[in-house]
Amino acid sequence: DAGVIQSPRHEVTEMGQEVTLRCKPISGHNSLFWYRQTMMRGLELLIYFNNNVPIDDSGMPEDRFSAKMPNASFSTLKIQPSEPRDSAVYFCASSFRTGIETQYFGPGTRLLVL
Amino acid sequence: AQKITQTQPGMFVQEKEAVTLDCTYDTSDQSYGLFWYKQPSSGEMIFLIYQGSYDEQNATEGRYSLNFQKARKSANLVISASQLGDSAMYFCAMRERGDDKIIFGKGTRLHILP
Repeated sequence: DAGVIQSPRHEVTEMGQEVTLRCKPISGHNSLFWYRQTMMRGLELLIYFNNNVPIDDSGMPEDRFSAKMPNASFSTLKIQPSEPRDSAVYFCASSFRTGIETQYFGPGTRLLVL
Repeated sequence: AQKITQTQPGMFVQEKEAVTLDCTYDTSDQSYGLFWYKQPSSGEMIFLIYQGSYDEQNATEGRYSLNFQKARKSANLVISASQLGDSAMYFCAMRERGDDKIIFGKGTRLHILP
């Protein structure tokens, strides 16, 4: 089975540009999570969806960040405009929602904003 | 108060020795799950092992075992016969029933010495 798929794996952009990160969860999983990881702040949950509906976006740092999940197999995290402090590794993870299920992580997108 | 505490920021262990990574947790729920993830230098988050709060037996997965002591709220990861490839950051995490989110500890960086 394919795991969580993220694209791009690496992104270098200039301050002020729009950045879109993409995620395809594991087929059949109905919860999807976006995380950000930096040396300073560790692993932070940004937002998560259940059955394509955003449930908790309290971790989204600013209005510059937005996330969508138009269907069960695709989600995007957009940063507009990007800033150097957004440089981080962004992970997408998915899980089943029933019970106490494991989250499986994608390989991450390493974002560098110059 | 932190829900997941990993008291060892870093550890150095000789190859082939057994390793114990400490994790304590805090919850008032009776039903919860405990997880360990490995993050090598390549950056991906790899799920290692899961323990349910009602599981009588300690979870094992190959060289990994979880030393679950419910009364002490402890969920230590034991790696037997360590290998150079075990050098990585290790995260302990918990998910409470009824909460979709996983709470992560700050991690322990393990260095295996040849």
